[in-house]
Amino acid sequence: DVVLTQSPLSLPVTLGQAASISCRSSQSLVFIDGNAYLNWFQQRPGQSPRRLIYKVSNRDSGVPDRFSGSGSGTDFTLKISRVEAEDVGVYYCMQGTHWPPYTFGQGTKLEIK
Amino acid sequence: EVQLVESGGDLVQPGGSLRLSCAASGFSLSSYWMSWVRHAPGKGLEWVANIKQDGSEKNYMDSVKGRFTISRDNTKNSLYLQMNNLRADDTAVYFCVRDRGGGSYRTFDSWGQGTPVTVSS
Repeated sequence: DVVLTQSPLSLPVTLGQAASISCRSSQSLVFIDGNAYLNWFQQRPGQSPRRLIYKVSNRDSGVPDRFSGSGSGTDFTLKISRVEAEDVGVYYCMQGTHWPPYTFGQGTKLEIK
Repeated sequence: EVQLVESGGDLVQPGGSLRLSCAASGFSLSSYWMSWVRHAPGKGLEWVANIKQDGSEKNYMDSVKGRFTISRDNTKNSLYLQMNNLRADDTAVYFCVRDRGGGSYRTFDSWGQGTPVTVSS
């Protein structure tokens, strides 16, 4: 199974400052079609997860452009350019290249300093 | 608007059974793979099982194989998870998820609100 390792696991950030979360895979996430199926989800307190990014860097409709995804192969990053209060929650990366099983990272808890 | 509404979660004793349901609306269930994903207290998200559009293919995480059965009724736009021989480590909120695994997306694009399952004596 593919293991996704996120860092950091805890991310205290000052409002308005940038934040970055890393997701490293135990094997390449490039599929036979040349795409890497790496997703990012946000889970706000008390809510269901919500997809932010799919296929490494494609932002979902309604997701603010301060969120961006990048990376290739085994190393991926989610960046938030200017953290706002509504960004508090847990962020997960998830791979859809090698399933079953789909696998998630451990989650990164973003909090405001 | 896509909506997924789970039900059936409850407190159950170890070794007991439970059947979760998911009512889908706003899209045709028969066109999509569907998954169950769970979130145990203090832990991360964990994919549990998925099922192909016509029910002909099903996949499970190792720890639930032989105990859980995923099924669907496209005529009722509903997804199910039959859970038998439940264990304490099955305690979690279970989410019904629209799964784009079979195509060129390979992602989860819609989630329900979740239904809580607690396994305890």
